Amino acid sequence: DAKTTQPNSMESNEEEPVHLPCNHSTISGTDYIHWYRQLPSQGPEYVIHGLTSNVNNRMASLAIAEDRKSSTLILHRATLRDAAVYYCILRDSLMNRDDKIIFGKGTRLHILP
Amino acid sequence: GAVVSQHPSRVICKSGTSVKIECRSLDFQATTMFWYRQFPKQSLMLMATSNEGSKATYEQGVEKDKFLINHASLTLSTLTVTSAHPEDSSFYICSASGQTNSPLHFGNGTRLTVT
Repeated sequence: DAKTTQPNSMESNEEEPVHLPCNHSTISGTDYIHWYRQLPSQGPEYVIHGLTSNVNNRMASLAIAEDRKSSTLILHRATLRDAAVYYCILRDSLMNRDDKIIFGKGTRLHILP
Repeated sequence: GAVVSQHPSRVICKSGTSVKIECRSLDFQATTMFWYRQFPKQSLMLMATSNEGSKATYEQGVEKDKFLINHASLTLSTLTVTSAHPEDSSFYICSASGQTNSPLHFGNGTRLTVT
């Protein structure tokens, strides 16, 4: 089962910031928080990932709660091209043969022009 | 950035035939590759995890004799759908990763239609 829960869908206006939440209350100390997004008929695209500290890159920012039981993906200025399904997943950073990545249902983000 | 090449992007085959899907990491060594299938309007469902040089680990309910996975090198994994049937029609996606604290990189998927 997926270890993360996200709202099914969200809506935002173009050129406004978007905050996509994710709950992962059973996160372990070695789990990284990853975010991916998927456009129709394409494979998912990496957005950002982090462990404890907030992270920024050219696509987005990742805000991680102090207890790490939740995180928020922030798109600073949404465009129509950001309309996609966003997935938050956990990946254990320990090197082991049980490495598996389970996707939840994700959040479908609609951008209104 | 890192690139994963998956092909074919689309394949139509007749019921009873086998189809091979390739997944290549182009500029990094993929110690682990994941295979997913995705039905319309649904999330990705993990089928199996493969580590280079080892047998793949299949998820519950996925038939290993039907979905043959080979991960013979650090840059190539293949998924063969054997004796395909219409219910195997789906979108198959591979993902590759180096270290476990690094991002996953996904192929663009293979749309399989079995007639």
